[in-house]
Amino acid sequence: DAGVIQSPRHEVTEMGQEVTLRCKPISGHDYLFWYRQTMMRGLELLIYFNNNVPIDDSGMPEDRFSAKMPNASFSTLKIQPSEPRDSAVYFCASSLGQGRGETQYFGPGTRLLVL
Amino acid sequence: AQSVAQPEDQVNVAEGNPLTVKCTYSVSGNPYLFWYVQYPNRGLQFLLKYITGDNLVKGSYGFEAEFNKSQTSFHLKKPSALVSDSALYFCAVRVLTGGGNKLTFGTGTQLKVEL
Repeated sequence: DAGVIQSPRHEVTEMGQEVTLRCKPISGHDYLFWYRQTMMRGLELLIYFNNNVPIDDSGMPEDRFSAKMPNASFSTLKIQPSEPRDSAVYFCASSLGQGRGETQYFGPGTRLLVL
Repeated sequence: AQSVAQPEDQVNVAEGNPLTVKCTYSVSGNPYLFWYVQYPNRGLQFLLKYITGDNLVKGSYGFEAEFNKSQTSFHLKKPSALVSDSALYFCAVRVLTGGGNKLTFGTGTQLKVEL
């Protein structure tokens, strides 16, 4: 299996622009998670989906952030408009099942820089 | 609230010596604990997990962790460190939210193994 795939790996944009991050989970996994990692705040869960349905979006920082999962093999995280404080590494992860022992598998991340 | 704490920002150890990366947890109910490793510019990789059973859990790359209920700890250990073990290590605990599947991560410990 190719693992969790994220694109792009790096993104540089200017303040005010729309940014779209993409994720393909591991085939067959029914949970998908979006995280953000910064030096100041560490690793934060933004939102997660189960069977394409958003379950908990309490970590989404502002209305500028939105996430969708139109099907089992694709999810997007969108920032509109972007701001310099959104600069971070964004990770997508997926897992199979909702048992307490299930492991989350992470993608390589998208490094976002907003100028 | 359920949480994990990693009291050391950085751990330095000489190659060939044993290493320990500390983690303590606070949960209501049975804990489900995980260790992940992050190499530079990479995503998090799963190392091992404790769900139930034997208190000594063995994982990838020769790592193991000891679950200690009385001390509410889940320290990561390796008998003989390698320079290639140098990375950022995260402890995580499963947070139960209405049957959901969230992980809460510690702040991370930077492990540096020197020759």
